[in-house]
Amino acid sequence: GENVEQHPSTLSVQEGDSAVIKCTYSDSASNYFPWYKQELGKRPQLIIDIRSNVGEKKDQRIAVTLNKTAKHFSLHITETQPEDSAVYFCAASSGEHYGQNFVFGPGTRLSVLP
Amino acid sequence: DSGVTQTPKHLITATGQRVTLRCSPRSGDLSVYWYQQSLDQGLQFLIQYYNGEERAKGNILERFSAQQFPDLHSELNLSSLELGDSALYFCASSVTPTNEKLFFGSGTQLSVL
Repeated sequence: GENVEQHPSTLSVQEGDSAVIKCTYSDSASNYFPWYKQELGKRPQLIIDIRSNVGEKKDQRIAVTLNKTAKHFSLHITETQPEDSAVYFCAASSGEHYGQNFVFGPGTRLSVLP
Repeated sequence: DSGVTQTPKHLITATGQRVTLRCSPRSGDLSVYWYQQSLDQGLQFLIQYYNGEERAKGNILERFSAQQFPDLHSELNLSSLELGDSALYFCASSVTPTNEKLFFGSGTQLSVL
């Protein structure tokens, strides 16, 4: 089955700096890659996603890049703010006809220091 | 608010007991997913239903079972509970069963004492 690895497990950056979180996946059939943000005690919320026919997607300060050949994708947050502090999860899904089996990475705890 | 409703929010029970967690998906969503999140751990996929039928299965224990009813709400049944079953259980929903954004509920915090 699919296996998703995520690095680093913890990341501390100064406010205003950029943060990069990287994920690798194992199943070449995976074709949908979302990123979720989970604040302490809250539900995971989708912040950006990318499909395998796209190499990069950007939404304001957040961007995601995908390298299908290398089977890795990354989340880039620019001009970080204290409210970006949270745990970020990447996920991969093959979405084959029998159903969608999202596999999440172990998460990255991002701390933005003021 | 994601529109996904989970009840109860908190559940405290003893080892060996059985509990039922309930989830109502967003209006219009036909697919429901269950995830388990242990303390400081990631999201472990348990099971997915689409329009009443099981569509995908993850690392769900045999002591756990789930179903989706005709009104699309879903229940996750956990039996013969063990201390290690203590976790936050999330339900999520999506419109279609494949490659679709998930919307998560607030979760049910289960504590097995």
